[in-house]
Amino acid sequence: NAGVTQTPKFQVLKTGQSMTLQCAQDMNHNSMYWYRQDPGMGLRLIYYSASEGTTDKGEVPNGYNVSRLNKREFSLRLESATPSQTSVYFCASSESLEQDEQYFGPGTRLTVT
Amino acid sequence: QQPVQSPQAVILREGEDAVINCSSSKALYSVHWYRQKHGEAPVFLMILLKGGEQKGHDKISASFNEKKQQSSLYLTASQLSYSGTYFCGTEVGFQKLVFGTGTRLLVSP
Repeated sequence: NAGVTQTPKFQVLKTGQSMTLQCAQDMNHNSMYWYRQDPGMGLRLIYYSASEGTTDKGEVPNGYNVSRLNKREFSLRLESATPSQTSVYFCASSESLEQDEQYFGPGTRLTVT
Repeated sequence: QQPVQSPQAVILREGEDAVINCSSSKALYSVHWYRQKHGEAPVFLMILLKGGEQKGHDKISASFNEKKQQSSLYLTASQLSYSGTYFCGTEVGFQKLVFGTGTRLLVSP
């Protein structure tokens, strides 16, 4: 059981470039999430997917798009990166959307110059 | 809507106790606690549900005061491995989990 995996681990982008962060889970979980973590800000929810085929905005969705490709995979896309998107991005999954523990991936450290 | 955690940071010697508090301005549906070590992903500790049910860790305890919209995490006889940043997350109604800004705990020998 790999749990939640994320690729890449590190990425440097120039302003205006685009990229997709990949996330996969092998626990047969229904719900998946994308968070960003900035110093002193805690974890903030970008987008989530309650179940396969559905996605919804979280607290800070501007500048991002997501795709729930199938039950296992949930990707996050930055269409035109800006320096304010420099952050550590975590993907997480849980059996159900509410009142359930979330399992986090190892994170992607993204720097936008 | 972000819950407020206190203290922001605490330093302990091994074997000492600590309490971390989490409070919300809204009525809480549940409170989650996670620990994150430096450079790693957050790891689930426990969930406290409205009505008193508790799911999670067997060495760390917590309380949930629904009326005061507060939760406290109790770390007793702290070990070096307890060092890290502790986050509470709150569910208000059926809204998604919102995390606090964290409490940094350092346990020294």
